[in-house]
Amino acid sequence: EADIYQTPRYLVIGTGKKITLECSQTMGHDKMYWYQQDPGMELHLIHYSYGVNSTEKGDLSSESTVSRIRTEHFPLTLESARPSHTSQYLCASSAQQGWRYTEAFFGQGTRLTVV
Amino acid sequence: GQQVMQIPQYQHVQEGEDFTTYCNSSTTLSNIQWYKQRPGGHPVFLIQLVKSGEVKKQKRLTFQFGEAKKNSSLHITATQTTDVGTYFCAGPMDSNYQLIWGAGTKLIIKP
Repeated sequence: EADIYQTPRYLVIGTGKKITLECSQTMGHDKMYWYQQDPGMELHLIHYSYGVNSTEKGDLSSESTVSRIRTEHFPLTLESARPSHTSQYLCASSAQQGWRYTEAFFGQGTRLTVV
Repeated sequence: GQQVMQIPQYQHVQEGEDFTTYCNSSTTLSNIQWYKQRPGGHPVFLIQLVKSGEVKKQKRLTFQFGEAKKNSSLHITATQTTDVGTYFCAGPMDSNYQLIWGAGTKLIIKP
Protein backbone atom coordinates (compact mmCIF):
# COMPACT_ATOMS: atom_id res chain seq x y z
CA GLU A 1 0.00 0.00 0.00
CA ALA A 2 1.26 3.47 -0.94
CA ASP A 3 2.40 5.79 1.84
CA ILE A 4 0.59 8.93 0.84
CA TYR A 5 -1.96 10.48 3.11
CA GLN A 6 -4.62 13.11 2.67
CA THR A 7 -6.64 14.88 5.32
CA PRO A 8 -9.43 15.47 5.81
CA ARG A 9 -11.22 12.66 3.93
CA TYR A 10 -14.48 14.61 3.89
CA LEU A 11 -15.11 18.32 4.38
CA VAL A 12 -18.29 20.39 4.26
CA ILE A 13 -17.64 24.09 4.44
CA GLY A 14 -19.48 27.36 3.89
CA THR A 15 -18.97 29.70 0.95
CA GLY A 16 -16.17 32.20 1.43
CA LYS A 17 -14.19 30.14 3.93
CA LYS A 18 -10.47 29.52 3.54
CA ILE A 19 -9.45 25.87 3.57
CA THR A 20 -6.26 23.87 3.33
CA LEU A 21 -6.20 20.29 2.14
CA GLU A 22 -3.24 18.36 3.47
CA CYS A 23 -1.13 15.82 1.60
CA SER A 24 1.93 14.02 2.90
CA GLN A 25 4.02 11.17 1.52
CA THR A 26 6.73 9.16 3.22
CA MET A 27 8.28 7.67 0.08
CA GLY A 28 10.73 10.50 -0.55
CA HIS A 29 9.19 11.18 -3.96
CA ASP A 30 10.27 14.38 -5.69
CA LYS A 31 7.22 14.86 -7.84
CA MET A 32 3.79 15.57 -6.36
CA TYR A 33 0.46 16.45 -7.95
CA TRP A 34 -3.01 17.66 -7.14
CA TYR A 35 -5.92 16.50 -9.27
CA GLN A 36 -9.57 17.47 -9.21
CA GLN A 37 -12.06 14.76 -10.10
CA ASP A 38 -15.84 14.64 -10.13
CA PRO A 39 -17.07 11.13 -9.22
CA GLY A 40 -16.20 8.60 -11.89
CA MET A 41 -15.03 11.28 -14.29
CA GLU A 42 -11.66 12.25 -15.74
CA LEU A 43 -8.75 13.56 -13.72
CA HIS A 44 -7.87 17.23 -14.08
CA LEU A 45 -4.38 18.32 -13.05
CA ILE A 46 -4.51 21.56 -11.05
CA HIS A 47 -0.99 21.82 -9.60
CA TYR A 48 2.27 19.90 -9.56
CA SER A 49 5.73 20.16 -8.09
CA TYR A 50 9.10 18.77 -9.13
CA GLY A 51 10.57 19.21 -5.66
CA VAL A 52 11.10 21.63 -2.80
CA ASN A 53 10.30 25.25 -3.74
CA SER A 54 9.01 24.16 -7.16
CA THR A 55 5.32 24.54 -8.01
CA GLU A 56 3.54 24.73 -11.36
CA LYS A 57 -0.05 25.20 -12.45
CA GLY A 58 -1.68 22.36 -14.30
CA ASP A 59 -4.15 22.27 -17.13
CA LEU A 60 -7.25 23.13 -15.15
CA SER A 61 -7.62 26.74 -14.17
CA SER A 62 -7.89 26.81 -10.43
CA GLU A 63 -8.34 29.41 -7.73
CA SER A 64 -6.22 27.35 -5.38
CA THR A 65 -2.56 27.70 -4.43
CA VAL A 66 0.04 25.18 -3.31
CA SER A 67 3.37 25.22 -1.51
CA ARG A 68 6.27 22.77 -1.29
CA ILE A 69 8.50 23.71 1.61
CA ARG A 70 9.34 20.13 2.48
CA THR A 71 9.69 17.13 0.16
CA GLU A 72 7.03 15.16 1.96
CA HIS A 73 4.35 17.85 2.27
CA PHE A 74 2.26 19.44 -0.50
CA PRO A 75 -0.78 21.31 0.87
CA LEU A 76 -3.48 22.86 -1.31
CA THR A 77 -5.20 26.06 -0.18
CA LEU A 78 -8.47 27.61 -1.33
CA GLU A 79 -8.58 31.23 -0.17
CA SER A 80 -12.33 31.59 -0.62
CA ALA A 81 -14.36 28.44 -1.19
CA ARG A 82 -17.27 28.50 -3.64
CA PRO A 83 -19.93 25.89 -4.50
CA SER A 84 -18.16 25.36 -7.84
CA HIS A 85 -15.19 23.97 -5.86
CA THR A 86 -17.30 21.03 -4.73
CA SER A 87 -15.41 17.97 -5.98
CA GLN A 88 -12.95 15.27 -4.99
CA TYR A 89 -9.30 16.37 -4.67
CA LEU A 90 -6.65 13.71 -5.17
CA CYS A 91 -3.00 14.08 -4.24
CA ALA A 92 -0.38 11.88 -5.91
CA SER A 93 3.37 11.44 -6.03
CA SER A 94 5.94 9.73 -8.18
CA ALA A 95 9.68 9.08 -8.07
CA GLN A 96 12.23 10.07 -10.68
CA GLN A 97 14.15 7.24 -12.31
CA GLY A 98 16.80 8.61 -14.63
CA TRP A 99 15.06 10.65 -17.29
CA ARG A 100 11.55 9.48 -16.49
CA TYR A 101 9.17 9.14 -13.58
CA THR A 102 7.65 6.03 -12.03
CA GLU A 103 3.95 5.42 -11.74
CA ALA A 104 1.82 7.76 -9.66
CA PHE A 105 0.74 6.77 -6.16
CA PHE A 106 -2.51 8.36 -5.03
CA GLY A 107 -3.85 9.33 -1.66
CA GLN A 108 -7.40 8.39 -0.72
CA GLY A 109 -8.70 11.82 -1.65
CA THR A 110 -10.59 14.64 0.03
CA ARG A 111 -14.23 14.95 -0.86
CA LEU A 112 -15.06 18.65 -0.55
CA THR A 113 -18.57 20.08 -0.43
CA VAL A 114 -19.04 23.85 -0.36
CA VAL A 115 -22.50 24.98 0.71
CA GLY B 1 -1.06 19.81 -27.73
CA GLN B 2 -0.57 16.18 -26.83
CA GLN B 3 -3.76 14.27 -26.14
CA VAL B 4 -4.69 10.80 -25.01
CA MET B 5 -8.13 9.68 -26.07
CA GLN B 6 -9.81 6.71 -24.44
CA ILE B 7 -12.90 4.85 -25.60
CA PRO B 8 -15.54 3.87 -24.86
CA GLN B 9 -16.65 6.11 -22.00
CA TYR B 10 -18.83 3.33 -20.57
CA GLN B 11 -19.18 -0.37 -21.19
CA HIS B 12 -22.04 -2.41 -19.80
CA VAL B 13 -21.39 -6.15 -19.74
CA GLN B 14 -22.97 -9.23 -18.28
CA GLU B 15 -20.81 -10.94 -15.71
CA GLY B 16 -18.65 -13.42 -17.55
CA GLU B 17 -18.46 -11.36 -20.75
CA ASP B 18 -15.25 -9.73 -21.93
CA PHE B 19 -14.37 -6.03 -21.68
CA THR B 20 -11.96 -3.92 -23.70
CA THR B 21 -10.87 -0.29 -23.45
CA TYR B 22 -8.68 1.52 -25.96
CA CYS B 23 -6.28 4.44 -25.70
CA ASN B 24 -4.96 6.49 -28.60
CA SER B 25 -2.28 9.12 -28.29
CA SER B 26 -1.74 12.02 -30.68
CA THR B 27 2.02 11.44 -30.39
CA THR B 28 4.41 8.55 -29.77
CA LEU B 29 4.67 7.70 -26.10
CA SER B 30 7.78 6.53 -24.26
CA ASN B 31 5.52 4.39 -22.08
CA ILE B 32 1.89 3.97 -21.14
CA GLN B 33 0.44 3.26 -17.73
CA TRP B 34 -2.89 1.75 -16.73
CA TYR B 35 -4.80 2.46 -13.53
CA LYS B 36 -8.00 1.17 -11.96
CA GLN B 37 -10.31 3.26 -9.79
CA ARG B 38 -12.99 1.46 -7.83
CA PRO B 39 -16.23 3.40 -7.14
CA GLY B 40 -15.55 5.85 -4.32
CA GLY B 41 -11.84 5.07 -4.38
CA HIS B 42 -8.64 6.46 -5.82
CA PRO B 43 -6.69 5.38 -8.93
CA VAL B 44 -4.39 2.43 -8.34
CA PHE B 45 -1.54 1.60 -10.68
CA LEU B 46 -1.94 -1.65 -12.62
CA ILE B 47 0.93 -1.84 -15.10
CA GLN B 48 3.35 0.05 -17.30
CA LEU B 49 4.20 -0.85 -20.90
CA VAL B 50 7.44 0.43 -22.42
CA LYS B 51 8.36 -1.55 -25.53
CA SER B 52 6.81 -1.37 -28.96
CA GLY B 53 4.34 -4.24 -29.45
CA GLU B 54 4.60 -5.27 -25.79
CA VAL B 55 1.93 -7.56 -24.36
CA LYS B 56 1.61 -8.20 -20.64
CA LYS B 57 -0.85 -10.32 -18.72
CA GLN B 58 -2.13 -10.16 -15.18
CA LYS B 59 -4.46 -13.11 -14.64
CA ARG B 60 -7.56 -12.22 -16.71
CA LEU B 61 -6.20 -8.82 -17.78
CA THR B 62 -4.20 -8.44 -21.00
CA PHE B 63 -2.44 -5.17 -21.81
CA GLN B 64 -1.04 -4.29 -25.22
CA PHE B 65 1.14 -1.45 -26.48
CA GLY B 66 0.96 -0.77 -30.21
CA GLU B 67 3.87 -1.14 -32.61
CA ALA B 68 3.97 2.61 -33.18
CA LYS B 69 3.67 3.26 -29.41
CA LYS B 70 0.66 5.49 -30.03
CA ASN B 71 -2.10 3.17 -28.91
CA SER B 72 -2.80 0.69 -26.18
CA SER B 73 -5.58 -1.58 -24.98
CA LEU B 74 -6.70 -3.37 -21.87
CA HIS B 75 -8.77 -6.51 -22.26
CA ILE B 76 -10.48 -8.33 -19.40
CA THR B 77 -11.61 -11.88 -20.02
CA ALA B 78 -14.72 -13.20 -18.26
CA THR B 79 -15.48 -10.15 -16.15
CA GLN B 80 -16.29 -10.52 -12.48
CA THR B 81 -18.00 -8.13 -10.08
CA THR B 82 -14.60 -7.29 -8.60
CA ASP B 83 -13.61 -5.79 -11.96
CA VAL B 84 -16.16 -2.99 -11.63
CA GLY B 85 -14.62 0.48 -11.74
CA THR B 86 -13.09 2.99 -14.09
CA TYR B 87 -9.94 2.12 -16.02
CA PHE B 88 -7.59 4.94 -16.99
CA CYS B 89 -4.61 5.04 -19.29
CA ALA B 90 -1.89 7.68 -18.94
CA GLY B 91 1.22 8.56 -20.88
CA PRO B 92 4.03 11.07 -20.27
CA MET B 93 4.28 14.32 -22.20
CA ASP B 94 7.39 14.72 -24.30
CA SER B 95 8.31 18.10 -22.82
CA ASN B 96 8.17 17.52 -19.09
CA TYR B 97 7.11 13.88 -18.56
CA GLN B 98 3.84 15.12 -17.06
CA LEU B 99 1.26 12.35 -17.28
CA ILE B 100 -1.55 12.94 -19.75
CA TRP B 101 -4.63 10.98 -18.73
CA GLY B 102 -7.31 9.38 -20.81
CA ALA B 103 -10.88 10.18 -19.77
CA GLY B 104 -11.37 6.65 -18.44
CA THR B 105 -13.69 3.77 -19.32
CA LYS B 106 -16.26 2.78 -16.75
CA LEU B 107 -16.93 -0.95 -16.52
CA ILE B 108 -20.47 -1.65 -15.38
CA ILE B 109 -21.78 -5.14 -14.72
CA LYS B 110 -25.43 -5.53 -15.69
CA PRO B 111 -27.61 -6.89 -12.88
